[in-house]
Amino acid sequence: GQSLEQPSEVTAVEGAIVQINCTYQTSGFYGLSWYQQHDGGAPTFLSYNALDGLEETGRFSSFLSRSDSYGYLLLQELQMKDSASYFCASLNDYKLSFGAGTTVTVRA
Amino acid sequence: DTGVSQDPRHKITKRGQNVTFRCDPISEHNRLYWYRQTLGQGPEFLTYFQNEAQLEKSRLLSDRFSAERPKGSFSTLEIQRTEQGDSAMYLCASSLLDSVTGELFFGEGSRLTVL
Repeated sequence: GQSLEQPSEVTAVEGAIVQINCTYQTSGFYGLSWYQQHDGGAPTFLSYNALDGLEETGRFSSFLSRSDSYGYLLLQELQMKDSASYFCASLNDYKLSFGAGTTVTVRA
Repeated sequence: DTGVSQDPRHKITKRGQNVTFRCDPISEHNRLYWYRQTLGQGPEFLTYFQNEAQLEKSRLLSDRFSAERPKGSFSTLEIQRTEQGDSAMYLCASSLLDSVTGELFFGEGSRLTVL
């Protein structure tokens, strides 16, 4: 089966940097994805790492270490609109398996 | 709007009734997924279609659940004899077969409440 662990909650102030860690135990691992979901909304794709290293997309960056079965999502210059749930998800062939999610609360 | 659409958005039903949800994926997407999400949890995989073929069904899915994608376009998810434990958000997602990132495009879900 697939197992992904991430913290349940993180709180930070506007302008701060937040790192959400994700450790995984999966078989047939292809890569690690990150999704954002606002309350009442659909999960939306943020990033994907297939290889070790850092991928940067604007204020968000994602990192993967395959040897450590570990990844993280880095949110920089936090804005109020970044308050949402963030999910790491492992890609195994054609299927995504999601962690339980991290609720990020941004305070003024 | 050319995104994934789901209908109905909300459904309240009594225990024991049957419900059906519909998903219209992005038109050129040949992969279609159903996930279930409960409060405070991530989406949980239910089943997967490649075109009209159902290629995987989660072991967590009882035989009260059935999904179809008859012409490789829209899909339906039916739950028979609903139970209170079926209350959840049912999410549909679609993707391209040759997507390198496996990016899924989700609909906004159908929320089921079983009384």
